[in-house]
Amino acid sequence: DSGVTQTPKHLITATGQRVTLRCSPRSGDLSVYWYQQSLDQGLQFLIQYYNGEERAKGNILERFSAQQFPDLHSELNLSSLELGDSALYFCASSPPDRLYGYTFGSGTRLTVV
Amino acid sequence: SQQGEEDPQALSIQEGENATMNCSYKTSINNLQWYRQNSGRGLVHLILIRSNEREKHSGRLRVTLDTSKKSSSLLITASRAADTASYFCATGTIIQGAQKLVFGQGTRLTINP
Repeated sequence: DSGVTQTPKHLITATGQRVTLRCSPRSGDLSVYWYQQSLDQGLQFLIQYYNGEERAKGNILERFSAQQFPDLHSELNLSSLELGDSALYFCASSPPDRLYGYTFGSGTRLTVV
Repeated sequence: SQQGEEDPQALSIQEGENATMNCSYKTSINNLQWYRQNSGRGLVHLILIRSNEREKHSGRLRVTLDTSKKSSSLLITASRAADTASYFCATGTIIQGAQKLVFGQGTRLTINP
């Protein structure tokens, strides 16, 4: 157990639907990062939050959005889902010190059918 | 977009041998990190080397960094079957006070008993 909790572990949904992925960071970590991992694109950075505020954006589609709540948990919302959105979605967290490595959760495997 | 490029993409060796993986990148960095991922699981942080460091050790791991050549290598000595996994390098840059981590495509390492 890395200390980063992601739910659900698996999700199967139909095209056009909307889903919410949840992440609880490791205790004491203020930063939360979302990554998408697919076979053809590798590990793509989506978005970062620090203590409730958006800090950095990567290759995140307009159909995707995220937020970090006061208790520091984060949610990634994926809407108008397409077959190509099928992937592993990872959340990671890190301490306030910017030169620490990230702690990853075990991921949510999303399958769009 | 990917910053780090790992080489080779796949490596298969016998248990007990040493495994060397290389990573090249394109822009200036603040640090470089290596992660391990077992099939379908979350990434595990192995080691972080700062841009002003040239070599770092952690157990059976040895990481080198050559900023003039924009390259890094990860050496795993006396490999074990449990080392079978994908290994990713990630370049860390500090943007507006926040660390941005960009991952390469990874090297798939197989240790044969």
